[in-house]
Amino acid sequence: GDSVTQMEGPVTLSEEAFLTINCTYTATGYPSLFWYVQYPGEGLQLLLKATKADDKGSNKGFEATYRKETTSFHLEKGSVQVSDSAVYFCALSDGSGGSNYKLTFGKGTLLTVNP
Amino acid sequence: GAVVSQHPSRVICKSGTSVKIECRSLDFQATTMFWYRQFPKKSLMLMATSNEGSKATYEQGVEKDKFLINHASLTLSTLTVTSAHPEDSSFYICSAERGGEYEQYFGPGTRLTVT
Repeated sequence: GDSVTQMEGPVTLSEEAFLTINCTYTATGYPSLFWYVQYPGEGLQLLLKATKADDKGSNKGFEATYRKETTSFHLEKGSVQVSDSAVYFCALSDGSGGSNYKLTFGKGTLLTVNP
Repeated sequence: GAVVSQHPSRVICKSGTSVKIECRSLDFQATTMFWYRQFPKKSLMLMATSNEGSKATYEQGVEKDKFLINHASLTLSTLTVTSAHPEDSSFYICSAERGGEYEQYFGPGTRLTVT
């Protein structure tokens, strides 16, 4: 079945540092890929997504490129802020079953950014 | 926007009682709603998928009689944890899919504690 593997962390960085959170996946078809962010005490929010190979998703300074050859979707940000402290989840959807598609999540990576 | 609410945000109940959690799409009609359970330091586990007016589809290993899901309208789904036990204590998150968008919008979650 489909699966998502991401670095578990926790990751602790200083403000303005470069961030990479690795994510790799296995899927039988051609999934869409997502990064979700969960701030303390809140629900998940979609951060960015990519629906086909070589697509780059970007939002709020975060980027991730859908790499089919390496089955990866690594999240990057050039300069993190304290407000980026959160848990980040990589996810894929299998794109099958019409509108009842399902999301498969990685275990999440806790990011803490210190001032 | 696409806002999903959950009520209550926190609930404490005694072992053996039942508790109902509501999930509402506030500004759109949700053709499909999903219920997840999130364990500490773990990923989200999909429990079931529900379509308005039909029976929910449960994931393998999820007890249908224990976790009753009702999707009575295009804006409301409920999860009832019946005869709750301490091991049911968890963070329950719902999401809703706006028709044809293939994207899930997440609620803020409900923290259930069974004493």
